[in-house]
Amino acid sequence: KAGVTQTPRYLIKTRGQQVTLSCSPISGHRSVSWYQQTPGQGLQFLFEYFSETQRNKGNFPGRFSGRQFSNSRSEMNVSTLELGDSALYLCASILDYSSTDTQYFGPGTRLTVL
Amino acid sequence: KNQVEQSPQSLIILEGKNCTLQCNYTVSPFSNLRWYKQDTGRGPVSLTIMTFSENTKSNGRYTATLDADTKQSSLHITASQLSDSASYICVVSGYGGSQGNLIFGKGTKLSVKP
Repeated sequence: KAGVTQTPRYLIKTRGQQVTLSCSPISGHRSVSWYQQTPGQGLQFLFEYFSETQRNKGNFPGRFSGRQFSNSRSEMNVSTLELGDSALYLCASILDYSSTDTQYFGPGTRLTVL
Repeated sequence: KNQVEQSPQSLIILEGKNCTLQCNYTVSPFSNLRWYKQDTGRGPVSLTIMTFSENTKSNGRYTATLDADTKQSSLHITASQLSDSASYICVVSGYGGSQGNLIFGKGTKLSVKP
């Protein structure tokens, strides 16, 4: 079974631009969550989607948005990029909406904002 | 405030030696505690998940312990190998299936030297 895939793996953008990242969960997994990871802060929760609905949202500005498609694939968008948005963006999927489900992470997208 | 604190921040050990990583949490209510391993530039991988009633869980050379009364957990690595060099992240889950209920520690960076 294929793991969680994320595209692209690396991105370089300039301030003010926007970016769209993609995540394909493990086949059959219905819940996808997104995280921002920076060296000083660790993993910060962005949002979670389950059956195409946003179920939970972290404490990030409205410039960060996302969506989930009927095949469970998810995208996240960051508009008006700032230098501080440089980070590793990770996507994780779980089978269902259970507190003991194992999370499976993708390899991440490394975003650099110049 | 729900928090997960890990110690030490970083650790260097020689190949073949054992080590123990610590995790203290203040998350309430508590559902389960997880340990993840994250290799540089890759997504985290789940090592163990322990619920309230479990005191210990092993995964190969990795053994996690949980004391729910003192809200402490440890991850013991036996006979370390060079491939154990990674960041180890403690994650505590409150009740509910949302991945947004997962509180991440900032991790312990382990370096295993030959």
